Amino acid sequence: DVKVTQSSRYLVKRTGEKVFLECVQDMDHENMFWYRQDPGLGLRLIYFSYDVKMKEKGDIPEGYSVSREKKERFSLILESASTNQTSMYLCASSLSPWREGQFFGPGTRLTVL
Amino acid sequence: AQSVAQPEDQVNVAEGNPLTVKCTYSVSGNPYLFWYVQYPNRGLQFLLKYITGDNLVKGSYGFEAEFNKSQTSFHLKKPSALVSDSALYFCAVRDGGNAGNMLTFGGGTRLMVKP
Repeated sequence: DVKVTQSSRYLVKRTGEKVFLECVQDMDHENMFWYRQDPGLGLRLIYFSYDVKMKEKGDIPEGYSVSREKKERFSLILESASTNQTSMYLCASSLSPWREGQFFGPGTRLTVL
Repeated sequence: AQSVAQPEDQVNVAEGNPLTVKCTYSVSGNPYLFWYVQYPNRGLQFLLKYITGDNLVKGSYGFEAEFNKSQTSFHLKKPSALVSDSALYFCAVRDGGNAGNMLTFGGGTRLMVKP
């Protein structure tokens, strides 16, 4: 089974802090994604990567950056956390071309105080 | 642009009754359609997909979905609901004709199955 793991299930940070969310997948998938999930808004794509060192902006990239130095790891970075970034963050991975759907991690619930 | 609508925030159904969770979509090319389920404090799990072929797609846990091109719908169904089906369900679409497009998710529908 594909396994996508995220470094933390719950995280509490203060406004202005730099925050790192880590995601690792073990199935050699080319594509990796970061979403945020908010009630009533569904999932919104922040960034995705289709190869090592490659990244593309999603629908809501403002305030975020990403890093993919190794194929299995995709990091989401909040350079200066703000309260409106309090959310559930979901990482996903997929094969390319991805007709099989995406495989999701358990999520990180981030609270910014 | 592609979009997905899940018109119901919540669906309530009694255990043993059939359930339907609605989804309509909009894409310019051929749709790739997906249903995901999210149990409390968990990530999303893939349920089923439609890429091409038979309009009735069967997936995990006894769920199925019917692709209707004329109505641009992909409703999720199950003949007999279980209390354990209570969860948040997401429909997603991708324009299969555009390699650069990502999945677009609906807002989610909470399914509550009462004993």
